[in-house]
Amino acid sequence: DTAVSQTPKYLVTQMGNDKSIKCEQNLGHDTMYWYKQDSKKFLKIMFSYNNKELIINETVPNRFSPKSPDKAHLNLHINSLELGDSAVYFCASSQEGLAGTQYFGPGTRLTVL
Amino acid sequence: GESVGLHLPTLSVQEGDNSIINCAYSNSASDYFIWYKQESGKGPQFIIDIRSNMDKRQGQRVTVLLNKTVKHLSLQIAATQPGDSAVYFCAENIRGSNYKLTFGKGTLLTVNP
Repeated sequence: DTAVSQTPKYLVTQMGNDKSIKCEQNLGHDTMYWYKQDSKKFLKIMFSYNNKELIINETVPNRFSPKSPDKAHLNLHINSLELGDSAVYFCASSQEGLAGTQYFGPGTRLTVL
Repeated sequence: GESVGLHLPTLSVQEGDNSIINCAYSNSASDYFIWYKQESGKGPQFIIDIRSNMDKRQGQRVTVLLNKTVKHLSLQIAATQPGDSAVYFCAENIRGSNYKLTFGKGTLLTVNP
């Protein structure tokens, strides 16, 4: 059973398009995260949600809008995609208040042409 | 290969040797540290953690050392195996910030058979 799953694994799209990445965890965790990993492997947190409420928003452009329909899901919608959005996006989850022991999904490689 | 253009610190060892991966942190308020392993095409995976009230912690084949005086963290892998080849990240959790991890740059470990 996959603990944290993301779809799609690969996403290739044109500049200006709108796209979504979905994330689901079956670990019963209360906290979920989105990270962006650039071409230099630098991993940076974008958002953190706890019990469907936004806790952290790390100065991410408002073209990025996370949505948490329930505790097990945290989706990421991106409007007006730009070349610089190309990266690998990781979803993660943890028990509430235990950011250290996060379980990561397999990642979604987004390529904007 | 994968390392071209990444500009990550790299460490190349022979199978069976011990590996030491280093990490420096700057925030004195960090009180919890974690090492993650990221294999090619996968999400980061928790390896071992240490709290700031400790200076050493051992796991299976791995040891983490923490030197708070110089703000330095290291991961030692004993009898390194080809399956240990990956990018290793240190991450820090700042006291009171239960929903955020800050990741370091990452070190690419290559194990030669």
